[in-house]
Amino acid sequence: DAGITQSPRHKVTETGTPVTLRCHQTENHRYMYWYRQDPGHGLRLIHYSYGVKDTDKGEVSDGYSVSRSKTEDFLLTLESATSSQTSVYFCAISGGQSAGGPTEAFFGQGTRLTVV
Amino acid sequence: GENVEQHPSTLSVQEGDSAVIKCTYSDSASNYFPWYKQELGKRPQLIIDIRSNVGEKKDQRIAVTLNKTAKHFSLHITETQPEDSAVYFCAAPPPRGGGNKLTFGTGTQLKVEL
Repeated sequence: DAGITQSPRHKVTETGTPVTLRCHQTENHRYMYWYRQDPGHGLRLIHYSYGVKDTDKGEVSDGYSVSRSKTEDFLLTLESATSSQTSVYFCAISGGQSAGGPTEAFFGQGTRLTVV
Repeated sequence: GENVEQHPSTLSVQEGDSAVIKCTYSDSASNYFPWYKQELGKRPQLIIDIRSNVGEKKDQRIAVTLNKTAKHFSLHITETQPEDSAVYFCAAPPPRGGGNKLTFGTGTQLKVEL
């Protein structure tokens, strides 16, 4: 498995509290992504990063912020958690582009977040 | 951005039969189409991918076909086995830039029955 770890693996938090999820990689990959997975919706992109301090929004970015101060770490923050953010969160990494186009994305183990 | 639709949402087959999952995409310039398998409680993992310069790719019992004109691609699993039971996701990246900013289909729950 690619060197990618997420922490925590499980978390229960109360509505209105801030939450930060961490993704750490040892592959020195340029691209990092945060997805959320919900039944019936598949995997939806929240935010992604294409380099240190370079981030951009995905399709479901409202209520989330990210930071990438080092190549190896990508943090996802829920500023004020809501019940609609109860989900499984996956971090992914990729090297980006090869001569033939995008390259394989590797996923972390996931973080199950419950907002009560 | 890219729009990816996947069908069916659930698929049940008998062991040894074939399974086919189909996806359509919206942007004709997309050039990379991966398929991911996710077992219960596990992370999604790449099982096969295809680039737009070929029409078919095989790896043992799995194959992917691409029809660029119709903008759809399909996953074929032959001689299905119980360990093939999982959720399968297709995906497509944006056609220009964005690295691997993949848009995923909604997934197909495949059940292989004995």
